[in-house]
Amino acid sequence: EVQLVESGGGLVQPGASLRLSCAASGFTFDTYWMAWVRQAPGQGLEWVASIKEDGSEKYYLDSVKGRFTISRDNAKNSVYLQMDSLRAEDTAVYFCARDSGWHKLDYWGQGTLVTVSS
Amino acid sequence: QSALTQPPSASGSPGQSVAISCTGTSSDVGGNNHVSWYQQHPGKAPKLIIYEVSERPSGVPDRFSGSKSGNTASLTVSGLQADDEADYYCSAHGGSGVFGGGTKLTVL
Repeated sequence: EVQLVESGGGLVQPGASLRLSCAASGFTFDTYWMAWVRQAPGQGLEWVASIKEDGSEKYYLDSVKGRFTISRDNAKNSVYLQMDSLRAEDTAVYFCARDSGWHKLDYWGQGTLVTVSS
Repeated sequence: QSALTQPPSASGSPGQSVAISCTGTSSDVGGNNHVSWYQQHPGKAPKLIIYEVSERPSGVPDRFSGSKSGNTASLTVSGLQADDEADYYCSAHGGSGVFGGGTKLTVL
């Protein structure tokens, strides 16, 4: 059974940093792209970042470029999202998802809430 | 990375059919067949229900169908059931990922 479990969310002040983790199981992790998608309270889904199977290609939402970094550790079956210089508008539930190709997100985690507030 | 355009709401009575549109550009929806649809119930993670415009993952009822014409994709839910009441999002591949704004489907 495919499982994705996010962790690392919490309440932080503007300008702070946070690192999200997503532990994957139930599939051959290093053969899939992975993605992070967020959802602000009461709002729609927003793709944030994607990373290739071997980590050699990464893509980001324009508004997070230079502040967020996606990475993965295939030995640990995990993908990460390092979030720096956080802003109030980054407040959202962050979902980790498996990308089966061309942004077909076929499995999702339960999400982790990030709140940026003073 | 402009969001795809969906109607904010749609509704139908049990047993009826309802269609939800998703309009993009020739760079995303119209540029390839990599259009997906997701269903999200309140407080839950999204669930993939359609991919590659009209393909259904295993376990998704055939009451859910997808199509595309030009820069507009559509999701049709037939034989509406109470559990179909949820938010629906389209997604397309256009270099990077992009979602529609979401449509709240109400079963009357």
